[in-house]
Amino acid sequence: DVQMTQSPSNLAASPGESVSINCKASKSINKYLAWYQQKPGKANKLLIYSGSTLQSGTPSRFSGSGSGTDFTLTIRNLEPEDFGLYYCQQHNEYPLTFGSGTKLEIK
Amino acid sequence: QVQLKETGPGLVQPTQTLSITCTVSGFSLATYYMQWVRQTPGKGLEWVGFIRSGGSTEYNSEFKSRPSINRDTSKNQVFLKMNSLKTEDTGVYYCARTNGYWYFDLWGPGTMVTVSS
Repeated sequence: DVQMTQSPSNLAASPGESVSINCKASKSINKYLAWYQQKPGKANKLLIYSGSTLQSGTPSRFSGSGSGTDFTLTIRNLEPEDFGLYYCQQHNEYPLTFGSGTKLEIK
Repeated sequence: QVQLKETGPGLVQPTQTLSITCTVSGFSLATYYMQWVRQTPGKGLEWVGFIRSGGSTEYNSEFKSRPSINRDTSKNQVFLKMNSLKTEDTGVYYCARTNGYWYFDLWGPGTMVTVSS
């Protein structure tokens, strides 16, 4: 199985700042990485798939990069609604596997 | 409106069988793969299994043949059953949708399951 290592576990930032979250796969997953946002009481939201393709409705301040084993989610000009949990998921092969999550908090 | 909604028992006793229903609206089960994912304090998000648009199924071998996924297309419902529950199965169970590229483009809100006597 592909192990996904996500970092950092916690991140504090202020509105208007930029942050990056990293995800490392235990072997090459080509470009096939997705990013999700999780908030209490809401359905998980797909933000980005195939490494860098924004899902319809995802604001342009979100971007994804990387291929092979190393990937990054960058959020520029943080908005108050961006705070929450973020997870990566490899969608290259089964079993599908997820990172352990990053909690993005308001500083 | 395109959405998913899970309905579960809330509390299940150890060794018993969990049954969860996912009710789908706004799209056809014959078009998408429907997946089950769970989130537990011990292991985080884990893929459980899926049912293909054609009706066949695949499961995560980590669960050792405990899960079973079925559907009723006439009722737009997908079902997860998992037997021999243990306390470490406590968590939130989600149904989700994938297209041909295996990322989850739609999730239900999840249903919390507590395994306890």
